[in-house]
Amino acid sequence: DADVTQTPRNRITKTGKRIMLECSQTKGHDRMYWYRQDPGLGLRLIYYSFDVKDINKGEISDGYSVSRQAQAKFSLSLESAIPNQTALYFCATSDILAGGLDEQFFGPGTRLTVL
Amino acid sequence: AQSVTQLGSHVSVSEGALVLLRCNYSSSVPPYLFWYVQYPNQGLQLLLKYTTGATLVKGINGFEAEFKKSETSFHLTKPSAHMSDAAEYFCAVTEKGNSGYALNFGKGTSLLVTP
Repeated sequence: DADVTQTPRNRITKTGKRIMLECSQTKGHDRMYWYRQDPGLGLRLIYYSFDVKDINKGEISDGYSVSRQAQAKFSLSLESAIPNQTALYFCATSDILAGGLDEQFFGPGTRLTVL
Repeated sequence: AQSVTQLGSHVSVSEGALVLLRCNYSSSVPPYLFWYVQYPNQGLQLLLKYTTGATLVKGINGFEAEFKKSETSFHLTKPSAHMSDAAEYFCAVTEKGNSGYALNFGKGTSLLVTP
């Protein structure tokens, strides 16, 4: 079984709809991240959480919100989706113990299309 | 803020030829540097990382990278390309957030390997 799972894997929605992307991990890591990937732009950080009570905005948090329901679950919400949020979204986890030396483990991604 | 520049969004090499993917960083403090690989329709996987110590870092699948502080570079190389190396490659540097570290990614380099 995959250590980092994302649901759904693909989603098509309409402008103005609320949508939630979910991430679960079985690695026991405290740190979780949400990135979006756009062609030619690489990965950009949306939000990150270093424990259940800690939520931080990343480079491009506008239009997004997150919820850290438990150590193993970190959800990303688009309250009112717009077409330029069409992208590939990745969740990642890392271990708090080694600080910046950690490897981030990525989920398989969610491809979101906003019409 | 730390940042990464990957030179060349697309690189094409022949099978058996040298692979060289370029990465330059900017940082006011000693950086932690990473190379990730993304195979088609998959998440990101760590190839190698530089933290401290030896400046030549060996990773998986025969890849290596050398940290050159004087040139602010961390180029990725492999002596002989295989068809299976075709993928997107991302260089990344850590950036300290409110509670620790998060990664800043370059825009990626797509590697094409031709027979």
